Amino acid sequence: GAGVSQSPSNKVTEKGKDVELRCDPISGHTALYWYRQRLGQGLEFLIYFQGNSAPDKSGLPSDRFSAERTGESVSTLTIQRTQQEDSAVYLCASSTQGLAFFGQGTRLTVV
Amino acid sequence: GEDVEQSLFLSVREGDSSVINCTYTDSSSTYLYWYKQEPGAGLQLLTYIFSNMDMKQDQRLTVLLNKKDKHLSLRIADTQTGDSAIYFCAEYSNDYKLSFGAGTTVTVRA
Repeated sequence: GAGVSQSPSNKVTEKGKDVELRCDPISGHTALYWYRQRLGQGLEFLIYFQGNSAPDKSGLPSDRFSAERTGESVSTLTIQRTQQEDSAVYLCASSTQGLAFFGQGTRLTVV
Repeated sequence: GEDVEQSLFLSVREGDSSVINCTYTDSSSTYLYWYKQEPGAGLQLLTYIFSNMDMKQDQRLTVLLNKKDKHLSLRIADTQTGDSAIYFCAEYSNDYKLSFGAGTTVTVRA
């Protein structure tokens, strides 16, 4: 596609529910990143995928967070048993040869 | 590790030049970037510079890189109200890590 696409753009969920966020990277981009941005703050690294290598999960804040990516295609970020502190914008970026482009993000609100 | 630091706020008068500074620590950085984030929007790649370059100019934007001091700056000439945004400095290193600073909020006043 023309750019990185994330869905949904907004998600309101009840505390304790599971949510799944989707990222469609730019075709051909081997690297994919997930970041979290809390209101008024910078970007917090969560996880990245590089081709078929094992993902770097060092930024995932707890075992409630997981992410998958099949090959160089779509990635999903799953948050289980959501908590209010999970409320944030979740940003996905895909990259090739060092140039990373971001999607518009998914705004997650846990009520 | 990779730490990217930048000042948090900058206020500039319309028509003046803005200079946003950033320091990084990873000497293996291959690319350094500036991203712009407008309210409620994602991050837009504004410009970037390869680590083997000292300067890059792109219309109103000038990026300066001092690799010895690990210092990166972004100069915006003739700053306009549409330049009000948060600007993030980021570095990309050989291990594919993409690390961001906390962002500089630029406010353009009339």
